[in-house]
Amino acid sequence: SQQGEEDPQALSIQEGENATMNCSYKTSINNLQWYRQNSGRGLVHLILIRSNEREKHSGRLRVTLDTSKKSSSLLITASRAADTASYFCATEGGSYIPTFGRGTSLIVHP
Amino acid sequence: DAGVIQSPRHEVTEMGQEVTLRCKPISGHNSLFWYRQTMMRGLELLIYFNNNVPIDDSGMPEDRFSAKMPNASFSTLKIQPSEPRDSAVYFCASSLTGQETQYFGPGTRLLVL
Repeated sequence: SQQGEEDPQALSIQEGENATMNCSYKTSINNLQWYRQNSGRGLVHLILIRSNEREKHSGRLRVTLDTSKKSSSLLITASRAADTASYFCATEGGSYIPTFGRGTSLIVHP
Repeated sequence: DAGVIQSPRHEVTEMGQEVTLRCKPISGHNSLFWYRQTMMRGLELLIYFNNNVPIDDSGMPEDRFSAKMPNASFSTLKIQPSEPRDSAVYFCASSLTGQETQYFGPGTRLLVL
């Protein structure tokens, strides 16, 4: 299966700390995306990283991709209570249809 | 842009009834996806349309589920007859092409009693 799997399933931190979530997948990909889902809402796109890229930044977000290890990480620096949400990775390979993992539930305590 | 629009936002129905969920994708997007999300199974892709044509419906659980996209600005997901195990949040998403960023609607929360 192409499906990405996020780790950990749940993460609880204090405001100001950094949060790191990981995504592993099984087969080669064209790109990998990270999404956020607030409770009761739809998913919102955060970052897309292509297979020939190793790192991308967007504000307090940093995404890395290691295709040799078939893994990606999402780092949220200086977390805020508003970052509390579920975070999903979506891998896209030969089928050109993004496949979502089960997500990491992040709680940031004020 | 209003984003992806879904209706209804909430639906409560009784087992055996027909349920129709509606989606209006972002104008200009040529790919549309229907997903189902539950605690047990996570986010499941049900069906994917490209230029109004169903490309992959392998995720549709069974014949009780059907989806149509009669034009570029409208899609429906129908469940007939509905069962309690169909209770979930159903999301519609669209993208410019099938390979890029997906924009999700707010979802329809379905409860089948």
